[in-house]
Amino acid sequence: EAGVAQSPRYKIIEKRQSVAFWCNPISGHATLYWYQQILGQGPKLLIQFQNNGVVDDSQLPKDRFSAERLKGVDSTLKIQPAKLEDSAVYLCASSLDERVGGRAGELFFGEGSRLTVL
Amino acid sequence: DQQVKQNSPSLSVQEGRISILNCDYTNSMFDYFLWYKKYPAEGPTFLISISSIKDKNEDGRFTVFLNKSAKHLSLHIVPSQPGDSAVYFCAASFNQFYFGTGTSLTVIP
Repeated sequence: EAGVAQSPRYKIIEKRQSVAFWCNPISGHATLYWYQQILGQGPKLLIQFQNNGVVDDSQLPKDRFSAERLKGVDSTLKIQPAKLEDSAVYLCASSLDERVGGRAGELFFGEGSRLTVL
Repeated sequence: DQQVKQNSPSLSVQEGRISILNCDYTNSMFDYFLWYKKYPAEGPTFLISISSIKDKNEDGRFTVFLNKSAKHLSLHIVPSQPGDSAVYFCAASFNQFYFGTGTSLTVIP
């Protein structure tokens, strides 16, 4: 079974530039997540999709971050303009469903996209 | 507001001994808890989980204990192996997953 695919693996940009990350979840997984992991911290949820719809984007800095999930499959996360504090690993994860049998669906993570903002 | 805390950034254990990783949480609404393991340059991978209705779950060398009254869970690895060296994140779930800051485990051969 193919895992969660993310690209690019690494990106270096200057502040005020824009960047986009792409994620292809595991086939059949209805729920897709974008997490931000700053060095030394745990992953923090940015946005959660259930199929095409947004379930939770309360922690997404909407003045500069945007995300979409096309046709309930692939997703892109965009940052424009980038700030120094956006330097982090952006993790995409997917799960079969939001809740499976009353318990939280296990998250499957991609390898992440490491962003460095200079 | 850190709802899931791992107070030990690092832990070193001799091969064959027990590794105990700890995690505390503040939200009593959490009903599911998970441990993820992360190697460098890779995404976290699921290791073991426990529902809030249980106090112990075992899977091979890995056992997770949950103490709801203390809002504390722990991961026991026994015996520890060099391949277990990684960063371990605990996570708790209610409407979304909340992750701790991770504990870097080094198993010394």
